[in-house]
Amino acid sequence: EVQLVESGGGLVQPGGSLRLSCAASGFTFSSHWMSWVRQAPGKGLEWVATIKQDGSEEHYVGSVKGRFIISRDNAKNSLYLQMNSLRVEDMAVYYCTRDQLNYWGQGTLVTVSS
Amino acid sequence: DVVMTQSPLSLPVTLGQPASISCRSSQSLVHSDGNTYLNWFQQRPGQSPRRLIYKVANRDSGVPDRFSGSGSGTDFTLKISRVEAEDVGVFYCVQGTYWPFTFGPGTKVDIK
Repeated sequence: EVQLVESGGGLVQPGGSLRLSCAASGFTFSSHWMSWVRQAPGKGLEWVATIKQDGSEEHYVGSVKGRFIISRDNAKNSLYLQMNSLRVEDMAVYYCTRDQLNYWGQGTLVTVSS
Repeated sequence: DVVMTQSPLSLPVTLGQPASISCRSSQSLVHSDGNTYLNWFQQRPGQSPRRLIYKVANRDSGVPDRFSGSGSGTDFTLKISRVEAEDVGVFYCVQGTYWPFTFGPGTKVDIK
């Protein structure tokens, strides 16, 4: 059974940093593109970033370019999102997803507030 | 970026009756590999989204056959043949042909 378990969310001040993690199991992690998608409170879904199987290719939504870094450790079956210079508008539930978003984790909440 | 629009944004439905949601993209979603990466998702209240349909018309495993997807180019449709109570929630279309992937605004389906 495919499982994606996010962690690392919490409260951070504007301008601060946070690192999200996603532990994957139930499939060959190194064979799949992986992505982060977020959802602000009461709002719709927004794709954030995607990374290729071997980490050689990354893509970001414009609003996070230069601030967020997606990475992975295939030996640990883990996906990461390093979030720097956080803004109030980054506050959301962040979901870890696979490929064309066919599997989702339960999400981790990031709150940006002073 | 490709802009995705959906209509209607709110859809009150009667149990047992059909329902239809339209999704349009600002440019053709045909990828250079010949595939059209238009997917549909359902998000029930308090839950993570789940994919229902991929590449326009392919149902994901475990998705009831009352859900169907169709369309091409820039115009796509999700149909529910007979709405059941468990179908309430927000439905999103998303294009995965171009970077960045972009979602539609969502269509909220509830029971009349």
